[in-house]
Amino acid sequence: QVKLLQSGAELVKPGASVKLSCKTSGFTFSTSYMSWLKQVPGPSIEWIGWIYAGDGGTNYNQKFKGKATLTVDKSSSTAYMDLSSLTSEDAAVYFCALTTEGTFDYWGQGVMVTVSS
Amino acid sequence: DIVLTQSPALAVSLEQRATISCKTSQNVDNYGISYMHWYQQKPGQQPKLLIYEGSNLASGIPARFSGSGSGTDFTLTIDPVEADDIATYYCQQSKDYYTFGAGTKLELK
Repeated sequence: QVKLLQSGAELVKPGASVKLSCKTSGFTFSTSYMSWLKQVPGPSIEWIGWIYAGDGGTNYNQKFKGKATLTVDKSSSTAYMDLSSLTSEDAAVYFCALTTEGTFDYWGQGVMVTVSS
Repeated sequence: DIVLTQSPALAVSLEQRATISCKTSQNVDNYGISYMHWYQQKPGQQPKLLIYEGSNLASGIPARFSGSGSGTDFTLTIDPVEADDIATYYCQQSKDYYTFGAGTKLELK
């Protein structure tokens, strides 16, 4: 079955960067679109962007351009998201999700990122 | 951006019908397809896809869940409500990129 396993919680200092991972199994990663999403209680869920694992092509929410960078490693069926220059506004739970035809069909368990000195 | 508006909460009794609404700031239909989808999220868990393209049940989702609507007005119905359905429900559009509603928390009366 489809599985998306995300890395553990992160505590990062303001101004630092963090790289989140999402290891997948149970589907053909190399022909899939992987999205990343941000959830903060109250403001709800925001789509950050997707990456096509086949050729590394990306599409970002304008709001997250320059903040998030999506990459994949096809050899390990893993998707990554780099978040740079972190501030308190970036504190959230981040999810990876398998994306098909506009829907987020399967989600990782989420990873909490805390930004604090 | 297309803005999706949901009521914050809905109180319902077990075995009754729950109707959760989602209104969009722009039409999310195109060529007869409604680009509206619904998710369920329980505390501490990831969201789960329930309904796609307005009214299609996702794989493994019980038939007591159904979706309807078109244009700018959509509804998720749960009938009958079971204890396991107590959760927050989000609508999401994919007509113009992807945006979510703020969620409706389903509570027991």
